[in-house]
Amino acid sequence: QTVVTQEPSLTVSPGGTVTLTCASSTGAVTSDYYANWFQQKPGQAPRALIYSTSNKHSWTPARFSGSLLGGKAALTLSGVQPEDEAEYYCLLYYGSAQLGVFGGGTKLTVL
Amino acid sequence: QVQLQESGPGLVKPSETLSLTCTVSGGSISSYFWSWIRQPPGKGLEWIGYIYYSGSTYYSPSLKSRVTISVDTSKNQFSLKLNSVTAADTAVYYCARSHCSSTSCYRYAFDIWGQGTMVIVS
Repeated sequence: QTVVTQEPSLTVSPGGTVTLTCASSTGAVTSDYYANWFQQKPGQAPRALIYSTSNKHSWTPARFSGSLLGGKAALTLSGVQPEDEAEYYCLLYYGSAQLGVFGGGTKLTVL
Repeated sequence: QVQLQESGPGLVKPSETLSLTCTVSGGSISSYFWSWIRQPPGKGLEWIGYIYYSGSTYYSPSLKSRVTISVDTSKNQFSLKLNSVTAADTAVYYCARSHCSSTSCYRYAFDIWGQGTMVIVS
């Protein structure tokens, strides 16, 4: 069974920079995994931030960026705002199975 | 702008069938992939399956034996049926649209989500 792993929790200070990562149990994540990133605040539906590794949606704030880092997909927040406190989920696409798998989520605390 | 709204019973008995509908407003259901995703209370997200507006489907292997997703383009709706439910199927169920650019569709780039509907199996 394919497992996608994220940091369970991270803490960052306002104005700081933080990187969340997304790893695959099958090995290094590449652009072929078309990594997606979603933000979810309590009681709300998830909101899309990044698709296909590094592409932003029209509503994605400039401080969010996606990349590949050390064999993982990564989401970097630069100049973190208090409103960025949320749960962040990645999703990887496994082309051989045509399957998308969510990671377990990272709870980001801004403190 | 495009909006999605889930509807259906909030309470389903064990062993029965969960049925939900997602209504697409502000745009056409055509030319996109449409997914169902669920989230058990306090837990993470799980993709259930998607349907293309033409009717082709793909389901999560873990749920494939119990899931049917269908589309009604005349009503701009798509639906989920999950049979033989147990307490483990208790979750918030979301419908979502896949992002399409001018040249490609990204099936798992869910750009628009419904607000979600809680379904309790009891």
